[in-house]
Amino acid sequence: AQKITQTQPGMFVQEKEAVTLDCTYDTSDPSYGLFWYKQPSSGEMIFLIYQGSYDQQNATEGRYSLNFQKARKSANLVISASQLGDSAMYFCAMREEGGSNYKLTFGKGTLLTVNP
Amino acid sequence: EAGVAQSPRYKIIEKRQSVAFWCNPISGHATLYWYQQILGQGPKLLIQFQNNGVVDDSQLPKDRFSAERLKGVDSTLKIQPAKLEDSAVYLCASSLVSQTPEAFFGQGTRLTVV
Repeated sequence: AQKITQTQPGMFVQEKEAVTLDCTYDTSDPSYGLFWYKQPSSGEMIFLIYQGSYDQQNATEGRYSLNFQKARKSANLVISASQLGDSAMYFCAMREEGGSNYKLTFGKGTLLTVNP
Repeated sequence: EAGVAQSPRYKIIEKRQSVAFWCNPISGHATLYWYQQILGQGPKLLIQFQNNGVVDDSQLPKDRFSAERLKGVDSTLKIQPAKLEDSAVYLCASSLVSQTPEAFFGQGTRLTVV
């Protein structure tokens, strides 16, 4: 069974600084995908970035990058140059992609607060 | 492009009453998901549809929850009878196909059972 662990309930960062949100995962499927979602106070989940287990390079999307360390089973999100609008809940998620059921399993989330 | 639409946004009911939530996915998206998000936790998948067929409903409490997706487009999720522990945000999401990395979420329905 797949499992996602986010050990940081809350994180604080100064505006314009970088921040790393931790995520570790567990799965027995050799083919899987890792995701990060942002959930602002409005409630909707916003897709940020995706990393496939066979991707050789770390995924990047603008100010977001995923630090994928396969041997350590970690998929940390790095946000560079934090902005006030980055304050939100951040969820790490994974899905096993070896079969036909692409079900997302989420971690408990990290509340990021960006201070001016 | 219109996003995933959900209604109502908020609902308060008494325990043992019934309630229904509605979701309209993005046009052309074959895969539709219903998630339950209890306060302080990450979303948990309740049911996944591919067109109008169920792919996964292993975590759906079938004694009280039901869901359907008519004609492979809109979907409704029903709870009957509701319990206090059903208080949560119910999120609907859709993707082009299940293999697509990006799933688009609606704003959710916040249910409070009193």
